[in-house]
Amino acid sequence: GQNIDQPTEMTATEGAIVQINCTYQTSGFNGLFWYQQHAGEAPTFLSYNVLDGLEEKGRFSSFLSRSKGYSYLLLKELQMKDSASYLCAVMDSNYQLIWGAGTKLIIKP
Amino acid sequence: GAVVSQHPSWVICKSGTSVKIECRSLDFQATTMFWYRQFPKQSLMLMATSNEGSKATYEQGVEKDKFLINHASLTLSTLTVTSAHPEDSSFYICSAGTGDGNIQYFGAGTRLSVL
Repeated sequence: GQNIDQPTEMTATEGAIVQINCTYQTSGFNGLFWYQQHAGEAPTFLSYNVLDGLEEKGRFSSFLSRSKGYSYLLLKELQMKDSASYLCAVMDSNYQLIWGAGTKLIIKP
Repeated sequence: GAVVSQHPSWVICKSGTSVKIECRSLDFQATTMFWYRQFPKQSLMLMATSNEGSKATYEQGVEKDKFLINHASLTLSTLTVTSAHPEDSSFYICSAGTGDGNIQYFGAGTRLSVL
């Protein structure tokens, strides 16, 4: 079956760095997405990786290793507003998005 | 760019009534739109994929006669929850693809409460 694994919850301190891991097993691969979802709101797009390596976008970076079925989202200089759930999703060979359950990130002062 | 508008954001209705939710791509044409459902503290569950001018493709277990989807134009898709029951209460979210790397952009979501 298809599976996306990511930690349920993580806690970090304001100003620090946090890495949220995602491992996947899917039927084919057409890209990996990270979305941010604040409580009670819809997800917003953060990043898209289809080739191995690191994609940097401001304070957020996303890494992909297709051979390992592994990705991480790196958040630097954490701010209180970064408290949210972070969803990892993989597009399979049928261009279907397979969603992880999300990682709830709690930022403490 | 890539703004998706969803309306209404919140709706309360009586059991047995129908509710229509609209999803519009404001600054791009979306040949494909997606409808999701999300329960508290759970991930997104794809309900159906909506293609302009054709019938929607429903995921297994989703009743197509209960959740009517219409994608009449390249910028508008609607989801109608027919004969709503309390168990239909949920957060419904639409998304649309721009065709750019298959990225989906989401509407703000509709919180449905059925009394």
